[in-house]
Amino acid sequence: DAGVIQSPRHEVTEMGQEVTLRCKPISGHDYLFWYRQTMMRGLELLIYFNNNVPIDDSGMPEDRFSAKMPNASFSTLKIQPSEPRDSAVYFCASSLEGWTEAFFGQGTRLTVV
Amino acid sequence: SQQGEEDPQALSIQEGENATMNCSYKTSINNLQWYRQNSGRGLVHLILIRSNEREKHSGRLRVTLDTSKKSSSLLITASRAADTASYFCATDTGRRALTFGSGTRLQVQP
Repeated sequence: DAGVIQSPRHEVTEMGQEVTLRCKPISGHDYLFWYRQTMMRGLELLIYFNNNVPIDDSGMPEDRFSAKMPNASFSTLKIQPSEPRDSAVYFCASSLEGWTEAFFGQGTRLTVV
Repeated sequence: SQQGEEDPQALSIQEGENATMNCSYKTSINNLQWYRQNSGRGLVHLILIRSNEREKHSGRLRVTLDTSKKSSSLLITASRAADTASYFCATDTGRRALTFGSGTRLQVQP
């Protein structure tokens, strides 16, 4: 398996634009997580899915953020409209169980100008 | 707020020396994990220690866990320049998702 695959690796967008981040988890992993990393706040859990169902989205900062997992091999994190304070590195991770070793993607560095 | 807080925030040592990083957490846990993050990359799992374990080894890594003090330590022995990275502890509180600490930036000077 190629590991967790995220795209794009880098995204620069203007304030107000819609941004969609994509993630392909490792095949067979039942859990998928979206994290956001910033210098100020560290690594924050935004939302996670179990068997494609959102379980906990309490970390999603605002209604501007939404996440979907239409099938076991694909998830998206959408920000609409984007704001400069959304600039961060967004990581997707997957695991067999929620408490076991998490495998991270390379991240998407988002810059909103 | 962060469940785990690493200490120190930054550590600089010479190659060959040992590096010790500490993690304190607030609530009871099922297990604690340590991850490494190289600059510009994703996190990589290093080791997992369960709440009923006190010590675990993996190669040059030694992890201890003291649930009474809600703390853990990661020891890297005979450090190498390639160990330069940020190290994070992560806890499973039964929420079925890991909560990460703030990280320790380790610099190993060749």
